[in-house]
Amino acid sequence: DTGVSQNPRHKITKRGQNVTFRCDPISEHNRLYWYRQTLGQGPEFLTYFQNEAQLEKSRLLSDRFSAERPKGSFSTLEIQRTEQGDSAMYLCASSGGNNSPLHFGNGTRLTVT
Amino acid sequence: AQSVTQLDSQVPVFEEAPVELRCNYSSSVSVYLFWYVQYPNQGLQLLLKYLSGSTLVKGINGFEAEFNKSQTSFHLRKPSVHISDTAEYFCAVSVKGGGADGLTFGKGTHLIIQP
Repeated sequence: DTGVSQNPRHKITKRGQNVTFRCDPISEHNRLYWYRQTLGQGPEFLTYFQNEAQLEKSRLLSDRFSAERPKGSFSTLEIQRTEQGDSAMYLCASSGGNNSPLHFGNGTRLTVT
Repeated sequence: AQSVTQLDSQVPVFEEAPVELRCNYSSSVSVYLFWYVQYPNQGLQLLLKYLSGSTLVKGINGFEAEFNKSQTSFHLRKPSVHISDTAEYFCAVSVKGGGADGLTFGKGTHLIIQP
């Protein structure tokens, strides 16, 4: 069990640029989640995949955000035309089923200048 | 929808003293309850969970929590803290049956251990 892996760990970008983050979940986990965490707050749900199907999206996920999990394994989260308000820690988590706890990666910290 | 309230944003305690971090939740349906710990610049690590059965749950690093349905609380306790326990602690709930939104988190409590 290598845990949930996220890349990159840090990303600094200029406002208006596009960024893409990657998450590799625990291999046998079929559920994958993206959360966003801002300073002094708990993680907030963004979106959820069961295998390759994106089953739920938060209203926090504006049209500039898109997530994919094409083969039901790794996932990518893309933010287009980044804004300073997008600066946050983006956390990925995976789980094996309904009663299974979420296992989190170390996150990708995005700074938009 | 469910919500989680962590009543204290910061809790300072002296090393080797006991600590309690408070968590209250609100939900119209039955929930599972979790405590996670987050060290600086890292993801969240599961401390313990309550799914069913005994209301006193023991977790890693000497932590335990008690589920109180009538008070809708799930407070986290440790009888003697160590400097290494300094971290952010998050209480979370999920809907029984597997809500699609995974976990709903509180805002966190920063545990500060003073030597």
